Amino acid sequence: KQEVTQIPAALSVPEGENLVLNCSFTDSAIYNLQWFRQDPGKGLTSLLLIQSSQREQTSGRLNASLDKSSGRSTLYIAASQPGDSATYLCAPQGGSEKLVFGKGTKLTVNP
Amino acid sequence: NAGVMQNPRHLVRRRGQEARLRCSPMKGHSHVYWYRQLPEEGLKFMVYLQKENIIDESGMPKERFSAEFPKEGPSILRIQQVVRGDSAAYFCASSPGTNSGNTIYFGEGSWLTVV
Repeated sequence: KQEVTQIPAALSVPEGENLVLNCSFTDSAIYNLQWFRQDPGKGLTSLLLIQSSQREQTSGRLNASLDKSSGRSTLYIAASQPGDSATYLCAPQGGSEKLVFGKGTKLTVNP
Repeated sequence: NAGVMQNPRHLVRRRGQEARLRCSPMKGHSHVYWYRQLPEEGLKFMVYLQKENIIDESGMPKERFSAEFPKEGPSILRIQQVVRGDSAAYFCASSPGTNSGNTIYFGEGSWLTVV
């Protein structure tokens, strides 16, 4: 059974700082891994999808890496902004098609 | 191209009533997933459907919960005889099919409150 852990659970940083969010998963037999952000009272917005054959994906100030064999992924946010404040969720997807979510990292970027 | 549409966004039901949550997937998407997010907890998978078929319902409670995705119309998550513990956000997601490169897109959620 896949289990996902995200560290830290919460993070507060000043604006402009670069930061790393960590995700670990127990079952390395995955097809891909997605990172999402969730704003309070809202749905999930997909940020990046990394296929199992890839090592990293980049979109703007976001960079996600995947080390499938060790069961780890990181999301790097460069030059953080107050608008980045949200909960960030990682979700590996296995052969059963379903995403398994961690509890997320709640990020606060202070102006 | 509209995203995943869910309605109602907010629903209040008294204990014992029925709740029906609807989800229209993105255009061209034939795979629908339902997830539940309880207060202060992560999202939990409930059910995965394709048109007219339930593919995986391993996350669905055994009683009172059912889901369908008919040939025509939206997917429906139905909760009968609701109890306070059913209060949660219910999210629908869709994808175009089984391909490792396919992003899964989520709707804005339906917030159910049982009073």
